[in-house]
Amino acid sequence: DVKVTQSSRYLVKRTGEKVFLECVQDMDHENMFWYRQDPGLGLRLIYFSYDVKMKEKGDIPEGYSVSREKKERFSLILESASTNQTSMYLCASRDRNTGELFFGEGSRLTVL
Amino acid sequence: AQSVTQLGSHVSVSEGALVLLRCNYSSSVPPYLFWYVQYPNQGLQLLLKYTSAATLVKGINGFEAEFKKSETSFHLTKPSAHMSDAAEYFCAVSDGETSYDKVIFGPGTSLSVIP
Repeated sequence: DVKVTQSSRYLVKRTGEKVFLECVQDMDHENMFWYRQDPGLGLRLIYFSYDVKMKEKGDIPEGYSVSREKKERFSLILESASTNQTSMYLCASRDRNTGELFFGEGSRLTVL
Repeated sequence: AQSVTQLGSHVSVSEGALVLLRCNYSSSVPPYLFWYVQYPNQGLQLLLKYTSAATLVKGINGFEAEFKKSETSFHLTKPSAHMSDAAEYFCAVSDGETSYDKVIFGPGTSLSVIP
Protein backbone atom coordinates (compact mmCIF):
# COMPACT_ATOMS: atom_id res chain seq x y z
CA ASP A 1 0.00 0.00 0.00
CA VAL A 2 1.38 3.37 -1.01
CA LYS A 3 2.23 5.65 1.84
CA VAL A 4 3.10 9.23 2.60
CA THR A 5 4.02 9.75 6.22
CA GLN A 6 4.19 13.06 8.02
CA SER A 7 6.25 12.97 11.17
CA SER A 8 3.93 14.88 13.50
CA ARG A 9 0.14 15.05 13.52
CA TYR A 10 -0.02 17.87 16.05
CA LEU A 11 2.58 20.47 17.04
CA VAL A 12 2.45 23.50 19.30
CA LYS A 13 5.27 26.02 18.95
CA ARG A 14 5.99 29.52 20.16
CA THR A 15 6.46 32.60 18.03
CA GLY A 16 10.01 32.84 16.75
CA GLU A 17 10.80 29.14 17.08
CA LYS A 18 12.24 27.18 14.16
CA VAL A 19 9.91 24.44 13.03
CA PHE A 20 10.65 21.36 10.93
CA LEU A 21 7.89 19.36 9.28
CA GLU A 22 9.04 16.08 7.82
CA CYS A 23 7.46 14.06 5.05
CA VAL A 24 8.53 10.64 3.78
CA GLN A 25 7.13 8.67 0.83
CA ASP A 26 7.82 5.06 -0.05
CA MET A 27 6.74 5.13 -3.71
CA ASP A 28 9.97 6.37 -5.32
CA HIS A 29 8.16 9.45 -6.64
CA GLU A 30 10.24 12.30 -8.01
CA ASN A 31 7.62 14.97 -7.37
CA MET A 32 6.69 16.11 -3.86
CA PHE A 33 4.57 19.02 -2.62
CA TRP A 34 3.83 21.00 0.53
CA TYR A 35 0.44 22.67 0.90
CA ARG A 36 -1.23 24.49 3.73
CA GLN A 37 -4.95 24.09 4.27
CA ASP A 38 -7.08 26.81 5.81
CA PRO A 39 -10.90 27.00 6.07
CA GLY A 40 -12.40 28.76 3.07
CA LEU A 41 -9.08 28.91 1.25
CA GLY A 42 -8.62 25.27 0.35
CA LEU A 43 -5.10 24.01 -0.27
CA ARG A 44 -2.46 26.56 -1.17
CA LEU A 45 0.85 25.44 -2.62
CA ILE A 46 3.90 26.48 -0.60
CA TYR A 47 6.73 24.69 -2.39
CA PHE A 48 7.22 21.68 -4.59
CA SER A 49 10.19 19.61 -5.64
CA TYR A 50 10.69 17.76 -8.91
CA ASP A 51 13.85 15.92 -7.94
CA VAL A 52 16.48 15.58 -5.24
CA LYS A 53 17.90 18.98 -4.30
CA MET A 54 15.49 20.69 -6.71
CA LYS A 55 12.71 22.98 -5.52
CA GLU A 56 10.26 25.49 -6.91
CA LYS A 57 8.23 28.14 -5.13
CA GLY A 58 4.51 27.71 -5.04
CA ASP A 59 1.96 30.44 -4.53
CA ILE A 60 2.74 31.30 -0.88
CA PRO A 61 6.44 30.60 -0.19
CA GLU A 62 7.07 33.60 2.08
CA GLY A 63 8.20 32.56 5.53
CA TYR A 64 8.96 28.99 4.47
CA SER A 65 11.87 27.03 3.05
CA VAL A 66 12.26 23.39 2.04
CA SER A 67 14.90 20.70 1.84
CA ARG A 68 15.08 17.64 -0.43
CA GLU A 69 18.33 15.85 0.28
CA LYS A 70 16.96 12.38 -0.43
CA LYS A 71 14.32 11.31 -2.89
CA GLU A 72 11.98 9.93 -0.26
CA ARG A 73 12.10 12.89 2.12
CA PHE A 74 10.81 16.45 1.71
CA SER A 75 11.05 18.79 4.67
CA LEU A 76 9.25 22.07 5.26
CA ILE A 77 11.03 24.60 7.47
CA LEU A 78 9.63 27.62 9.22
CA GLU A 79 12.71 29.65 10.13
CA SER A 80 10.87 31.84 12.63
CA ALA A 81 7.32 30.74 13.26
CA SER A 82 4.58 33.35 13.43
CA THR A 83 0.98 33.12 14.57
CA ASN A 84 -0.29 33.49 11.01
CA GLN A 85 1.42 30.22 10.17
CA THR A 86 -0.98 28.34 12.41
CA SER A 87 -2.54 25.91 9.95
CA MET A 88 -2.86 22.36 8.69
CA TYR A 89 0.10 21.35 6.53
CA LEU A 90 -0.29 18.63 3.94
CA CYS A 91 2.49 16.83 2.14
CA ALA A 92 1.93 14.94 -1.12
CA SER A 93 3.89 13.00 -3.69
CA ARG A 94 2.89 12.51 -7.30
CA ASP A 95 2.87 9.45 -9.53
CA ARG A 96 4.35 10.71 -12.82
CA ASN A 97 2.52 8.01 -14.79
CA THR A 98 -1.00 8.84 -13.61
CA GLY A 99 -0.63 12.38 -12.27
CA GLU A 100 -2.29 11.29 -9.04
CA LEU A 101 -1.25 12.95 -5.79
CA PHE A 102 -0.89 10.84 -2.67
CA PHE A 103 -1.33 12.76 0.57
CA GLY A 104 -0.16 12.33 4.11
CA GLU A 105 -2.62 12.74 6.96
CA GLY A 106 -1.47 16.26 7.69
CA SER A 107 0.35 18.12 10.43
CA ARG A 108 -1.67 20.60 12.45
CA LEU A 109 0.62 23.36 13.65
CA THR A 110 -0.38 25.87 16.29
CA VAL A 111 1.92 28.86 16.87
CA LEU A 112 1.32 30.69 20.13
CA ALA B 1 -1.76 31.53 -13.99
CA GLN B 2 -3.99 28.62 -13.22
CA SER B 3 -6.91 29.07 -10.87
CA VAL B 4 -9.86 27.04 -9.70
CA THR B 5 -13.19 28.24 -8.35
CA GLN B 6 -15.78 26.12 -6.60
CA LEU B 7 -19.22 27.65 -6.33
CA GLY B 8 -20.69 27.02 -2.92
CA SER B 9 -18.47 26.48 0.10
CA HIS B 10 -21.15 24.29 1.62
CA VAL B 11 -23.74 22.06 -0.04
CA SER B 12 -26.41 20.13 1.77
CA VAL B 13 -28.48 17.36 0.18
CA SER B 14 -30.91 14.74 1.38
CA GLU B 15 -29.93 11.10 1.36
CA GLY B 16 -30.84 9.65 -2.04
CA ALA B 17 -30.85 13.04 -3.77
CA LEU B 18 -28.61 14.17 -6.61
CA VAL B 19 -25.23 15.57 -5.66
CA LEU B 20 -23.85 18.40 -7.83
CA LEU B 21 -20.59 20.13 -6.88
CA ARG B 22 -19.39 22.86 -9.20
CA CYS B 23 -15.87 23.54 -10.43
CA ASN B 24 -14.62 26.09 -12.93
CA TYR B 25 -11.01 26.50 -13.95
CA SER B 26 -8.85 28.91 -15.84
CA SER B 27 -5.90 27.51 -17.72
CA SER B 28 -4.00 28.74 -20.72
CA VAL B 29 -3.44 25.22 -22.02
CA PRO B 30 -5.63 22.10 -22.12
CA PRO B 31 -5.79 21.19 -18.47
CA TYR B 32 -5.55 18.08 -16.40
CA LEU B 33 -8.43 18.20 -13.91
CA PHE B 34 -8.97 16.28 -10.72
CA TRP B 35 -11.47 15.83 -7.93
CA TYR B 36 -10.20 14.84 -4.50
CA VAL B 37 -12.16 14.00 -1.36
CA GLN B 38 -11.14 14.54 2.25
CA TYR B 39 -12.90 12.70 5.03
CA PRO B 40 -12.65 14.13 8.56
CA ASN B 41 -9.14 13.98 10.04
CA GLN B 42 -7.69 12.37 6.95
CA GLY B 43 -5.57 13.39 4.00
CA LEU B 44 -7.02 13.79 0.51
CA GLN B 45 -7.66 10.91 -1.87
CA LEU B 46 -8.34 10.91 -5.60
CA LEU B 47 -11.96 10.54 -6.75
CA LEU B 48 -11.39 10.92 -10.49
CA LYS B 49 -9.35 12.75 -13.09
CA TYR B 50 -9.69 14.12 -16.62
CA THR B 51 -6.75 13.89 -18.99
CA SER B 52 -8.41 14.44 -22.41
CA ALA B 53 -9.23 10.79 -23.17
CA ALA B 54 -12.98 11.24 -22.58
CA THR B 55 -15.10 14.18 -21.50
CA LEU B 56 -17.22 12.12 -19.09
CA VAL B 57 -15.09 10.63 -16.39
CA LYS B 58 -16.21 7.99 -13.91
CA GLY B 59 -14.61 7.75 -10.50
CA ILE B 60 -14.87 5.82 -7.30
CA ASN B 61 -17.96 5.56 -5.09
CA GLY B 62 -20.38 6.30 -7.95
CA PHE B 63 -19.10 9.80 -8.68
CA GLU B 64 -18.58 11.15 -12.17
CA ALA B 65 -17.60 14.47 -13.74
CA GLU B 66 -17.99 16.01 -17.16
CA PHE B 67 -15.39 18.23 -18.79
CA LYS B 68 -16.96 21.10 -20.74
CA LYS B 69 -14.34 23.16 -22.49
CA SER B 70 -16.77 25.84 -23.68
CA GLU B 71 -17.83 26.47 -20.10
CA THR B 72 -14.38 25.80 -18.56
CA SER B 73 -16.16 23.56 -16.09
CA PHE B 74 -15.64 20.16 -14.50
CA HIS B 75 -18.64 19.62 -12.25
CA LEU B 76 -18.87 16.56 -10.02
CA THR B 77 -22.12 14.59 -9.76
CA LYS B 78 -23.56 11.53 -8.08
CA PRO B 79 -27.11 10.38 -8.79
CA SER B 80 -27.97 9.34 -5.25
CA ALA B 81 -26.25 10.68 -2.13
CA HIS B 82 -25.27 8.36 0.69
CA MET B 83 -24.52 9.32 4.27
CA SER B 84 -20.93 8.19 3.78
CA ASP B 85 -20.47 10.87 1.08
CA ALA B 86 -20.33 13.62 3.70
CA ALA B 87 -16.85 15.09 3.29
CA GLU B 88 -14.87 18.00 1.84
CA TYR B 89 -14.43 17.93 -1.93
CA PHE B 90 -11.66 19.70 -3.80
CA CYS B 91 -11.28 20.38 -7.49
CA ALA B 92 -7.71 20.71 -8.77
CA VAL B 93 -6.00 21.66 -12.04
CA SER B 94 -2.59 21.05 -13.54
CA ASP B 95 -1.14 22.14 -16.87
CA GLY B 96 0.40 18.73 -17.34
CA GLU B 97 1.67 15.59 -15.67
CA THR B 98 5.36 16.31 -15.78
CA SER B 99 7.33 16.78 -12.63
CA TYR B 100 7.55 20.50 -13.37
CA ASP B 101 3.80 21.10 -13.31
CA LYS B 102 2.11 22.55 -10.26
CA VAL B 103 -1.18 21.19 -9.03
CA ILE B 104 -3.50 23.98 -7.89
CA PHE B 105 -6.55 23.35 -5.72
CA GLY B 106 -9.83 25.17 -5.35
CA PRO B 107 -11.19 26.34 -1.99
CA GLY B 108 -13.26 23.21 -1.47
CA THR B 109 -16.92 22.39 -0.96
CA SER B 110 -18.17 20.77 2.21
CA LEU B 111 -20.94 18.27 1.49
CA SER B 112 -23.50 17.42 4.16
CA VAL B 113 -25.99 14.59 3.68
CA ILE B 114 -29.25 14.81 5.61
CA PRO B 115 -30.96 11.56 6.57
